[in-house]
Amino acid sequence: GIQVEQSPPDLILQEGANSTLRCNFSDSVNNLQWFHQNPWGQLINLFYIPSGTKQNGRLSATTVATERYSLLYISSSQTTDSGVYFCAVELTGANSKLTFGKGITLSVRP
Amino acid sequence: NAGVTQTPKFQVLKTGQSMTLQCAQDMNHEYMSWYRQDPGMGLRLIHYSVGAGITDQGEVPNGYNVSRSTTEDFPLRLLSAAPSQTSVYFCASSYGGHWTNEQFFGPGTRLTVL
Repeated sequence: GIQVEQSPPDLILQEGANSTLRCNFSDSVNNLQWFHQNPWGQLINLFYIPSGTKQNGRLSATTVATERYSLLYISSSQTTDSGVYFCAVELTGANSKLTFGKGITLSVRP
Repeated sequence: NAGVTQTPKFQVLKTGQSMTLQCAQDMNHEYMSWYRQDPGMGLRLIHYSVGAGITDQGEVPNGYNVSRSTTEDFPLRLLSAAPSQTSVYFCASSYGGHWTNEQFFGPGTRLTVL
């Protein structure tokens, strides 16, 4: 099956710093989504981004489908950005499903 | 809108007991799905539904049953709980042309099986 690898596995930032989170995948995908799981466990969809670039406030994401990776940029990080960031991909083809990476744990310190 | 709601928030079961995890959404989404999340791992798909009366298996369906009698509700049944089913369970819904479109998640149910 498709492999989804996220890096780095853990990241510690000082408040105000910028960061880049990476998601690599092993096959062609129809669909890629980034999620944030806050420290209370709630999962929030950040981006639906099978290709191209999107921005939402301090967060932006870029997916280069031909090179099989996606990047999530966090600028001017805040303590509320702490949590786990997941990417999930859908393999191209019928009967597909979302396959999640193992996540990147981000801690933003005041 | 309440979005996606799940009950209960926490549950402890003994091995062999059965129970139903409830999931409801008020966004009129066609698609609903159940995931489990285990420590250090991403989410894994258990079952999903593309509309009332239609369900299909995901990656880890064994030991779980689902049904979808209405658009709003998608309960997950554990037939005979096992310690390996200790996990956090998330329900999600989505709209649009494919069930893997943008996913909206419920708050989760933390289940412990002793």
